Amino acid sequence: GQSLEQPSEVTAVEGAIVQINCTYQTSGFYGLSWYQQHDGGAPTFLSYNALDGLEETGRFSSFLSRSDSYGYLLLQELQMKDSASYFCAVRAGSSASKIIFGSGTRLSIRP
Amino acid sequence: DTGVSQNPRHKITKRGQNVTFRCDPISEHNRLYWYRQTLGQGPEFLTYFQNEAQLEKSRLLSDRFSAERPKGSFSTLEIQRTEQGDSAMYLCASSTPTGAASGANVLTFGAGSRLTVL
Repeated sequence: GQSLEQPSEVTAVEGAIVQINCTYQTSGFYGLSWYQQHDGGAPTFLSYNALDGLEETGRFSSFLSRSDSYGYLLLQELQMKDSASYFCAVRAGSSASKIIFGSGTRLSIRP
Repeated sequence: DTGVSQNPRHKITKRGQNVTFRCDPISEHNRLYWYRQTLGQGPEFLTYFQNEAQLEKSRLLSDRFSAERPKGSFSTLEIQRTEQGDSAMYLCASSTPTGAASGANVLTFGAGSRLTVL
């Protein structure tokens, strides 16, 4: 089966850096994605890693280590608008098109 | 294109009634997904279509749930004999295997249909 684990809550200070970790277990691996969801909103795509290493997109970066079945999302120069839930997700299933989400990490940012 | 559209946005029903949700995906997207999300949890996979073919269905999904995508465009999700435990946000998402981030199978979500079963 497939499972993903991530911390349920993280708190950080505005302007700081925060890292949200994700460990996964899948029968086949086709990449790790990250989504952001604000309260009352729909999840939106942030980043994707298929290979080991760091992918950078503006203030957000995502890292993957396939040997450790581990990835993280790094948010820099935190802004109040970054307060949201963040989900890691993996492709799985026989067609590799089923996308399974973690339970999410709620990020709270303090002034 | 205005993105993924879901209707109705809110549905309140009594236990035992049937409900149907509709999803209109982005027009060029051939993949369509249904998820269920409860407060404080991540989206839970329900089912997935490629064009009109339903390729996967969650084993957690009871026989009371059925989904269709008859012409490979819009999709409907029907819940029969609703139970209070069915109360949740039902999210639809679509994607396409082509594009710059095709390897990611990037999902574009609709705003969801919130179901409350009394």
